[in-house]
Amino acid sequence: AQSVAQPEDQVNVAEGNPLTVKCTYSVSGNPYLFWYVQYPNRGLQFLLKYITGDNLVKGSYGFEAEFNKSQTSFHLKKPSALVSDSALYFCAVRDLGAGNNRKLIWGLGTSLAVNP
Amino acid sequence: DTGVSQDPRHKITKRGQNVTFRCDPISEHNRLYWYRQTLGQGPEFLTYFQNEAQLEKSRLLSDRFSAERPKGSFSTLEIQRTEQGDSAMYLCASSLSGPEAFFGQGTRLTVV
Repeated sequence: AQSVAQPEDQVNVAEGNPLTVKCTYSVSGNPYLFWYVQYPNRGLQFLLKYITGDNLVKGSYGFEAEFNKSQTSFHLKKPSALVSDSALYFCAVRDLGAGNNRKLIWGLGTSLAVNP
Repeated sequence: DTGVSQDPRHKITKRGQNVTFRCDPISEHNRLYWYRQTLGQGPEFLTYFQNEAQLEKSRLLSDRFSAERPKGSFSTLEIQRTEQGDSAMYLCASSLSGPEAFFGQGTRLTVV
């Protein structure tokens, strides 16, 4: 069964420190992987995606993510956190082995708090 | 604003009433998705349209739920005989050729 796990409900980092938000996935075929961010009372905003190619993908607002096939992980990273990065982060996967199925399977979200 | 637009942003309704939400996707996006999100959870897929055709429907979508996209542009999601368990944020998203979807701000439904 397809699934996404975000093992940490909350991540706390100090401003200026590097941050990592973890995501692991399980799909039957090759994955499309995504990170979205959700600010309070706002919709989900697309950050970045992995489809194929370079395992390190760069996205919006200085975020990047590393695809690791052997560990089935797609961790979100940023070298230097900002207070304004505080938000809810969701990892999602689309299973390319599921035919024409285009739905995304989502993790439960990780709340990131960046402390000044 | 050329993003995905959802209306209304908030809806409070009494149990048993019918409600309808509207989603206007990004212009020319041929794919449209509805998701539902409850507090502390990730979004749950409800249904997917390509143009006017409803190609997939989740088992979560009981027969009280119906979605349409009659002209392949805007979409509506109707919930009949609402129940308290229907209280959630209803999210609409659209996409064109790429795999990423772009989301609206959602409609928050509260059933009292």
